[in-house]
Amino acid sequence: QKEVEQNSGPLSVPEGAIASLNCTYSDRGSQSFFWYRQYSGKSPELIMSIYSNGDKEDGRFTAQLNKASQYVSLLIRDSQPSDSATYLCAVNGAAGNKLTFGGGTRVLVKP
Amino acid sequence: KAGVTQTPRYLIKTRGQQVTLSCSPISGHRSVSWYQQTPGQGLQFLFEYFSETQRNKGNFPGRFSGRQFSNSRSEMNVSTLELGDSALYLCASSTQETQYFGPGTRLLVL
Repeated sequence: QKEVEQNSGPLSVPEGAIASLNCTYSDRGSQSFFWYRQYSGKSPELIMSIYSNGDKEDGRFTAQLNKASQYVSLLIRDSQPSDSATYLCAVNGAAGNKLTFGGGTRVLVKP
Repeated sequence: KAGVTQTPRYLIKTRGQQVTLSCSPISGHRSVSWYQQTPGQGLQFLFEYFSETQRNKGNFPGRFSGRQFSNSRSEMNVSTLELGDSALYLCASSTQETQYFGPGTRLLVL
């Protein structure tokens, strides 16, 4: 079993709709959680970080964390074609900075 | 602030050679982490340096090594290159827990 799991997709959503991405992790000691966006041929770009249970909103993005269920999600509201990318879930459990990444979910937003 | 910079951006080597990649973190960031990204294995953690000391290490062979200088700049070295080392090598710097990635170095081993 992988430590961080994501559906590889592609997740196809119409422009203006909500894209919902899910991520599960196995290490119960994980403390911090991140969503990165990666365009083809580019490096990951940080979208959201979340550290405590509940929701965190930033513009069109909402991250949700449920540590009891070991589950992190990302909602993208009013999806735009420019949101088409691979979204990477990352978990940090160790002291220091050692991110464990999921395989990524490819999102396609169709005009 | 300037972002994370990595040099070189592209590199072609042959099997058996060695390579050194460089990373300059965001000003004020003392932690530098290195990752390897391949289509088959995804993004995998190599190691993290903080104040010139290796603080975390991933599951890579000893051919992969790194170091950090007093100005927080970091280098990673891969010796005796193998075809499977072809990948995008990413450096990330952080001040607390949030890591910001550089553009990466794309290494092709022939």
